[in-house]
Amino acid sequence: EPEVTQTPSHQVTQMGQEVILHCVPISNHLYFYWYRQILGQKVEFLVSFYNNEISEKSEIFDDQFSVERPDGSNFTLKIRSTKLEDSAMYFCASEGRGEQYFGPGTRLTVT
Amino acid sequence: GDSVTQMEGPVTLSEEAFLTINCTYTATGYPSLFWYVQYPGEGLQLLLKATKADDKGSNKGFEATYRKETTSFHLEKGSVQVSDSAVYFCALGGTSYGKLTFGQGTILTVHP
Repeated sequence: EPEVTQTPSHQVTQMGQEVILHCVPISNHLYFYWYRQILGQKVEFLVSFYNNEISEKSEIFDDQFSVERPDGSNFTLKIRSTKLEDSAMYFCASEGRGEQYFGPGTRLTVT
Repeated sequence: GDSVTQMEGPVTLSEEAFLTINCTYTATGYPSLFWYVQYPGEGLQLLLKATKADDKGSNKGFEATYRKETTSFHLEKGSVQVSDSAVYFCALGGTSYGKLTFGQGTILTVHP
């Protein structure tokens, strides 16, 4: 069964550094999403992406965040200058037939 | 804005006990409703969904009915197993292509 994959599974970075989180959505899906889950809190929507542009973003998704689909398969989330409060699990999802399929997540730890 | 409220957890049950996890929502329009499950160390998996009022979603012995009059989508299972131990998230979204809004999650632990 096709699945969404994410790399790395765990990323440790220092405050102020740039990080790029990678996702490979399911191949015939056209809508992509990033969510995050701070430890012990709700899963929160960050951004949705369709047809090579952002279709919706949350208040969390400020100028420090960007998304890109650099080729036909990858979907990336970049955080330009990480803060301690960016530490969270980041989930990528892609949508097909009215259902969102989630990847296993990347745990980002900012020190 | 849209919101989802789940019952406070964690929930601890013995094997074969009956499970209910409450979920209520606030939304404009006619959202679709979902239950996702997150097993330890894994991502979220769709457990079941309902797209309109009075629809019942079901999967792996779990059921939930979309109740518009009470704005609820409670998750039930008649007889839980140890393997059902996980975190369960209620969520709402559009009928297609749009963000999901999640509840806070309920940790379920089932003992033998």
